[in-house]
Amino acid sequence: QSVLTQPPSASGTPGQRVTISCSGSSSNIGSNPVNWYQHLPGTAPKLLIYSNNQRPSGVPDRFSGSKSGTSASLAISGLRSEDEADYYCAAWDDSLMGVFGTGTKVTVL
Amino acid sequence: QVQLQESGPGLVKPSETLSLTCSVSGGSINNYYWGWIRQPPGKGLEWIGYISYTASSYYNPSLKSRVTMSLDKSKNQFSLKLASVTAADTAVYYCARDHGGWLQFDPWGQGTLVTVSS
Repeated sequence: QSVLTQPPSASGTPGQRVTISCSGSSSNIGSNPVNWYQHLPGTAPKLLIYSNNQRPSGVPDRFSGSKSGTSASLAISGLRSEDEADYYCAAWDDSLMGVFGTGTKVTVL
Repeated sequence: QVQLQESGPGLVKPSETLSLTCSVSGGSINNYYWGWIRQPPGKGLEWIGYISYTASSYYNPSLKSRVTMSLDKSKNQFSLKLASVTAADTAVYYCARDHGGWLQFDPWGQGTLVTVSS
């Protein structure tokens, strides 16, 4: 039922830059802030980016977010083995509901 | 710092009501929105809904007919009830604090697995 579309997977070698896209519509990404979460198996998701491009305290500046129109992106630079996780975008939809992206599994080769 | 902890039965029979409580410690339940999110096995995150500190609430339309959320300010807790459950409701259920209702969830509870089975 997710209305935010992400690629199922992304990968890179240590030190590389990986970008994850999140495609939505005018009723969600196009008009509301986007947040990004990192989810490691067996743990609670962690807020990585909020309000499109803001990092919470403690999140390394290797993680950055951007938004343009009805799409958003998360970039991970200087990829590390501990970055291997599932990543989700999330936004409020003007139809009065919250929506998560389909999720992207990042693999460090 | 604020910490959240889910509690409730780990096993619920089909057609019965799933009930979970989230206890908030290290901070007040006032002035924030409080959300529930779930993740079925092998699937992605699904927004269930949220309730604000004024007790106004929004639910996922796909679950709206079966969901009820409530607040207990005296206990600094909020709760989720999901009626008429089926196996499709088997999931890890998370509670989380939402900053302003924009799906800016931080922090999260550790999550609790609820299995629907007879």
